[in-house]
Amino acid sequence: DGGITQSPKYLFRKEGQNVTLSCEQNLNHDAMYWYRQDPGQGLRLIYYSQIVNDFQKGDIAEGYSVSREKKESFPLTVTSAQKNPTAFYLCASSPPPGLAGLNSYNEQFFGPGTRLTVL
Amino acid sequence: GESVGLHLPTLSVQEGDNSIINCAYSNSASDYFIWYKQESGKGPQFIIDIRSNMDKRQGQRVTVLLNKTVKHLSLQIAATQPGDSAVYFCAEKLSGNTPLVFGKGTRLSVIA
Repeated sequence: DGGITQSPKYLFRKEGQNVTLSCEQNLNHDAMYWYRQDPGQGLRLIYYSQIVNDFQKGDIAEGYSVSREKKESFPLTVTSAQKNPTAFYLCASSPPPGLAGLNSYNEQFFGPGTRLTVL
Repeated sequence: GESVGLHLPTLSVQEGDNSIINCAYSNSASDYFIWYKQESGKGPQFIIDIRSNMDKRQGQRVTVLLNKTVKHLSLQIAATQPGDSAVYFCAEKLSGNTPLVFGKGTRLSVIA
């Protein structure tokens, strides 16, 4: 059963604590992404990684960190420096351009999301 | 389930009618566009995509139209059903392996 999994589905954190969100994919995709979603807004890019051991900052990287030690895993750490971390976090992955299939170009496949609440 | 967008533009449609959701994209150099459907508390699901060398693409009950002159994208849903109720996002990307850039989203409510 292929796909992207995120855990946990709900996460509660005390103010001042770091927390790590898990994202795993068994689709053999090279690229992985983390987005944040707040009510009334679209998805905003936090970090992305196009290949193992490499990643780039997105539009709202401050207060977050990532690692990409394995192709199938792209964990996101929300640090205490993130001033307003309560949000819905979405992980995605995509195949290399040109390998996405006959009827698609470069679709990003999303996980089910993790809702983080800071208490 | 949780709301994914409390203040999004909302489109209300009668069941069985056609729906048209519009999106203005930002970058004239974008060459790939995609529509996603997101139900409350879930991750976005792919609906349909289109490349910039096309102006129309059809799927099952859905059609995407692209007007590059005015940087406008639309999603048409035929015979809208209650299960179509969700938030719909358009997204654009430049060529290569750059990330998608998402629009704000539109909430579609289907009235039975």
